[in-house]
Amino acid sequence: KQEVTQIPAALSVPEGENLVLNCSFTDSAIYNLQWFRQDPGKGLTSLLLIQSSQREQTSGRLNASLDKSSGRSTLYIAASQPGDSATYLCAAYYNQGGKLIFGQGTELSVKP
Amino acid sequence: EAGVAQSPRYKIIEKRQSVAFWCNPISGHATLYWYQQILGQGPKLLIQFQNNGVVDDSQLPKDRFSAERLKGVDSTLKIQPAKLEDSAVYLCASSLAVEQFFGPGTRLTVL
Repeated sequence: KQEVTQIPAALSVPEGENLVLNCSFTDSAIYNLQWFRQDPGKGLTSLLLIQSSQREQTSGRLNASLDKSSGRSTLYIAASQPGDSATYLCAAYYNQGGKLIFGQGTELSVKP
Repeated sequence: EAGVAQSPRYKIIEKRQSVAFWCNPISGHATLYWYQQILGQGPKLLIQFQNNGVVDDSQLPKDRFSAERLKGVDSTLKIQPAKLEDSAVYLCASSLAVEQFFGPGTRLTVL
């Protein structure tokens, strides 16, 4: 069964701290892995998409890595800001079935 | 480029009532998805359309949920009758290739 897990479920850090969010997936035959941001009451905003042939992607203060062999992805946020407070979701896309399988999310709170 | 549009944004109903949600995908996107997101969980795919045909509805509770995509563009998702456990955010997404683009969602509360 294809499952995606995110730990921790919630994280609180002081402003300025660097942090890492973790995502693991059971089936390594992914096509790509995507990180999303979700603000309260809002839809999903795509942050980074890593193809299965890639090891990492960067956008501004965000860096996402992918290790298919271990079934893990991480999202690194540098110099966190209160505006980064949101729920972060990772999702694995499998060619077989063309499905996005989501983790349950990590709720991040950055305190001023 | 306009994003995925959904309406209504919020809906409160009593259990056993019916409700319908509407989604207008990004122009030209052939694939449309409906997801259910229960509080504290990630979105779960309910149904996937390719143009106006159903690709995957394996996780759609067909005894109470139905969906259609008219003319391969707009889509409606209906729940009849609603149960308390249907309280969730219903997200619509569309894609041209692999990457999916999400709408703002409809928050449903069943009392």
